[in-house]
Amino acid sequence: AIWMTQSPSLLSASTGDRVTISCRMSQGISSYLAWYQQKPGKAPELLIYAASTLQSGVPSRFSGSGSGTDFTLTISCLQSEDFATYYCQQYYSFPRTFGQGTKVEIK
Amino acid sequence: EVQLVESGGGLVQPGGSLRLSCAASGFTFSSYEMNWVRQAPGKGLEWVSYISSSGSTIYYADSVKGRFTISRDNAKNSLYLQMNSLRAEDTAVYYCARDRPPSGWSDYWGQGTLVTVSS
Repeated sequence: AIWMTQSPSLLSASTGDRVTISCRMSQGISSYLAWYQQKPGKAPELLIYAASTLQSGVPSRFSGSGSGTDFTLTISCLQSEDFATYYCQQYYSFPRTFGQGTKVEIK
Repeated sequence: EVQLVESGGGLVQPGGSLRLSCAASGFTFSSYEMNWVRQAPGKGLEWVSYISSSGSTIYYADSVKGRFTISRDNAKNSLYLQMNSLRAEDTAVYYCARDRPPSGWSDYWGQGTLVTVSS
């Protein structure tokens, strides 16, 4: 199985901040990585797939980068609706695995 | 509009069984691969199982292998998860999620159904 290390687990930030979340794989996965946002009591929502492609309807302040083993999700200007938990997921091989999650909270 | 609606969750005793369903609408269900993903209370997401569009290819997480069975009925636009020998650690919200072809990121998720395993 491919192991994923997502960091940080908790990120305190203010509206307008630029934030980055990291996801590191135990082996290379090319660009087979997705990022999801989850708000309390709701299902996850797809933000980015293929490491850097923005899902339709997702604001352009979200961006993804990386390939191989190291990936990053960036929110360029944090908005109030962005306070949530974010997960990376590899779909390169089975079992599919998720990162541990990063909770973005208000500072 | 794509919709995935899970049902069948509830309270079950350890060792018991439960069958979850996911009703799909708004897309050609038979053309899409599907997954079950779960989330224990206060915890992160855990992928559980995958089934190909025809049902011919199936994968499971080690944590449920031998106890859970994924299946689908394309004529009924429905996905299922038969869960046997349930344990306390299976307590979670279970989501069905659609894979976007060809590579397989999950682009639509249901709202989830809660399974509680407790005596």
